[in-house]
Amino acid sequence: EVQLVQSGAEVKKPGESLKISCKGSGYNFTTWWIGWVRQMPGKGLEWMGIIYPGDSEVIYSPSFQGQVTISVDKSISTAYLQWSSLKASDSAIYYCVRGYSGTSQFDPWGRGTLVTVS
Amino acid sequence: QSALAQPASVSGSPGQSITISCTGTGSNIGTSNLVSWYQQRPGKAPKLIIYEVSRRPSGASDRFSGSKSGSTASLTISGLQAEDEADYFCYSYGGYTTYVFGTGTTLTVL
Repeated sequence: EVQLVQSGAEVKKPGESLKISCKGSGYNFTTWWIGWVRQMPGKGLEWMGIIYPGDSEVIYSPSFQGQVTISVDKSISTAYLQWSSLKASDSAIYYCVRGYSGTSQFDPWGRGTLVTVS
Repeated sequence: QSALAQPASVSGSPGQSITISCTGTGSNIGTSNLVSWYQQRPGKAPKLIIYEVSRRPSGASDRFSGSKSGSTASLTISGLQAEDEADYFCYSYGGYTTYVFGTGTTLTVL
């Protein structure tokens, strides 16, 4: 079964750093993209960026360029999303999702990681 | 790039059909067949129900169908059931750094 397992909920203070993870299993991790999506409380979905584990190429959404860092460790089939200095406005659920180049087929999604900055 | 425009809410009775629109521009939906739809039930992660405008992934109900005309994509749900009550989001590829979702539509089954 193809799965993306995300790290658990986090509670942080403004200014702190954070790195959350997304571990893939059940498929060839290096040949599918992993995207990160933000969902603020009661709001819609926002693309943050996408990474190709095969060569670590990252494409950031302009809105999130410079605000977060997306990385991957393909040796453990895990993608990461990190902040160097959190703000209260970063409080949201963050989802990772698998995608394939040249398609709009984003599936499956991880369960999400709730980040609370307060 | 701005989010694709969806109606905030739609409703229908069990057994009826409803259609949710997703309006973009010539830079995304208008020139791309990379359009997909996601269902998100309360407290759950989104789930893919339509991709490449009208293709259904394995396991998705055949009551879901998708189409596109110009810069507007549409999701139709036929034979509405209570379990269809959820938020629905469209997505379109709009270029190298442009992956954009719709604003989302809440479906209420009356």
